[in-house]
Amino acid sequence: EVQLVESGGGLVKPGGSLRLSCVASGLTFNIYSMNWVRQAPGKGLEWVSSISNSGSSISYADSVKGRFTISRDNAKNSLFLQMNSLRAEDTAVYYCARRFCTGGDCYQDYWGQGTLVTVSS
Amino acid sequence: DIQMTQSPSSLSASVGDRVTITCQASQDISNSLNWYQQKPGKAPKLLIYGASNLETGVPSRFSGSGSVTDFSFTISSLQPEDIATYYCQHYGNLLYTFGQGTKLEIK
Repeated sequence: EVQLVESGGGLVKPGGSLRLSCVASGLTFNIYSMNWVRQAPGKGLEWVSSISNSGSSISYADSVKGRFTISRDNAKNSLFLQMNSLRAEDTAVYYCARRFCTGGDCYQDYWGQGTLVTVSS
Repeated sequence: DIQMTQSPSSLSASVGDRVTITCQASQDISNSLNWYQQKPGKAPKLLIYGASNLETGVPSRFSGSGSVTDFSFTISSLQPEDIATYYCQHYGNLLYTFGQGTKLEIK
């Protein structure tokens, strides 16, 4: 059974930093691209960042570019999101999700339960 | 950047009704379009990928269609357990864009 478990969320002051982790099990982690998706309270889904299976290709949403850094440790089946210069608008539940591709179609098929990040003074 | 415009933002329907949600892309995205269902407090669940392919295990009352810029998602006969928010999502090369979501309620 595939499981993605996020951790590292919490309360942080504006301008502060936080590092999220996502540990994967039940899948061959090093062959899949991974993603972070967030959801502000009462709002819709927002894609945050993606990383290829090897870590050689990375992309970010404009809203977090220059402040957030995605990384992975395939030896530890782990995905990370380093979040710096946090703002109130970064308050959200952060989900990690596996990217699966078949026949040219790509989608997130497995998701974690999410970890809540609250940015407030 | 590609923008995804989803409508309506909310919808109220009766059990057994046929329900349709639309999603429009700001430029040609071929069939690079997925649909997700999200229930309160839960992670999103993939329903449709590649515009019209039903994910394994998803009931056949759910369907998707469309290409280029105009897409639709249909529930052929609404069930009480379908109450959720639905999102379209365009996917590119490690880039994704979600629609604003459609909150579906029972009348």
